[in-house]
This record gives sequence, C-alpha cells and structure tokens, in this order.
Amino acid sequence: QVQLVQSGAEVKKPGSSVKVSCKASGGTFNTYGVSWVRQAPGQGLEWMGRIIPNFGITKYAEKFQDRVTMSADTSTTTAFMQLNSLRYEDTAVYYCGGGNWQQFGLDVWGQGTTVTVSS
Amino acid sequence: SYELTQPPSVSVSPGQTARITCSGDALPKQDAYWYQQKPGQAPVLVMYKDSERPSGIPERFSGSSSGTTVTLTISGVQAEDEADYFCQSADSSGTLSVFGSGTKVTV
Repeated sequence: QVQLVQSGAEVKKPGSSVKVSCKASGGTFNTYGVSWVRQAPGQGLEWMGRIIPNFGITKYAEKFQDRVTMSADTSTTTAFMQLNSLRYEDTAVYYCGGGNWQQFGLDVWGQGTTVTVSS
Repeated sequence: SYELTQPPSVSVSPGQTARITCSGDALPKQDAYWYQQKPGQAPVLVMYKDSERPSGIPERFSGSSSGTTVTLTISGVQAEDEADYFCQSADSSGTLSVFGSGTKVTV
C-alpha cells in the first residue's frame, strides 16, 4: 500500500508562491494519479487538480487554472503543487491524495500541509 | 461549474440507519466516491465506484445509485461513525472532479 508524506507547514505573504511536496513510498507510484485537495478552516473539501506522474498529464479545476502548477519527479516518487499569487483566502490545509490513475477516487491521503497566508 | 449537492446534516440515534444523499447531473454516467473525515484528520475512502467497499471498511457501510442521486447508507450506526462525509465524482466529460459540500453525521 502506498503511503504519502507531505512537506511541513508554510507561512506566506500575500502575492507570493508556495510549493508543497508529496512523497510516495511502499507501492507503485507510476500507476497512480495524484490529486491535490484543499480545505479552508471549517469548510469542505475542494478539488484543485490532478497529475498522472507516469504520463505527465495534468488537469486543473477551472478556479485554479491560472495560478496552480502540478508536477512530479518519478525518480524520487514525489509530486508537487505550486500555487502562485497567494491571497488570504488561500489559507487552508492542502492534501495530496492518490488512487488508480484511471479513476478519481483517492484511496490514500497525505497527512496534510497547513498553508497560512498572512502579512 | 459542476456541483454535487449534499444535505448539511443528518442526525441519527445509535443502532439506527443513516442515509446520506449526493445529487448531480452527471452521476448516471460517472462513478461516485465517499469519504469519512473526523476532526483534525485526513479523509478516508469508505466507498468507491458507487457501491464498492474498500478493504477494512465495516460492512455496515453500503452505497447505492439511482439516476442523478447516489446514497451512502450506514446501518446500525455507532458512535464512532460521527464525522463529516463527502461525496466525489467527475463532470460529464470525465476530466475534472468535484466534491460535494459535505454532510455532518451526528450520532
């Protein structure tokens, strides 16, 4: 079973960028699709987009299309999510989730990374 | 943009049955997934492809689909089932995903 371990908490200023990593271990990373999901304080889950590392294919939610970049390094089995032009409302816990690349379901999740946008 | 609709809350007594619905226009052609999330924890997949239960998930959890609505049923609810539940599916093109707004189950 794949396990996902994310990078640590970040505090960023408005207008800056953040890059969160998600390292997979214990399974076949290349058969996975990795989604990024965020959760603002007290709110629900929000799907940001997905990358299929083996093919380098990305799909982004319309809301984040112009601000997010998802990438992956198959040699280190690590996925990355970079969000640019940060706003106060981007303060949230960011999760990576993994599952079979042919479907959207996420059967394994990272522990979450708290990103705080503050001046 | 595509949306999935869930009731904000469901309240149930221990031992009773909780039913959580999720409605969306593309659900007849796209698979649905359900997640349980407890405070301070990452979500856990409890149902996939509408009605398939992952290993390790108790049998009291079941899923069904009818038209534009999918339903997660928890039979014989236990106190430990108190959590937020989110459905997830894809838009009609199958290229973008979305989560429902979530349902808080109170036992």
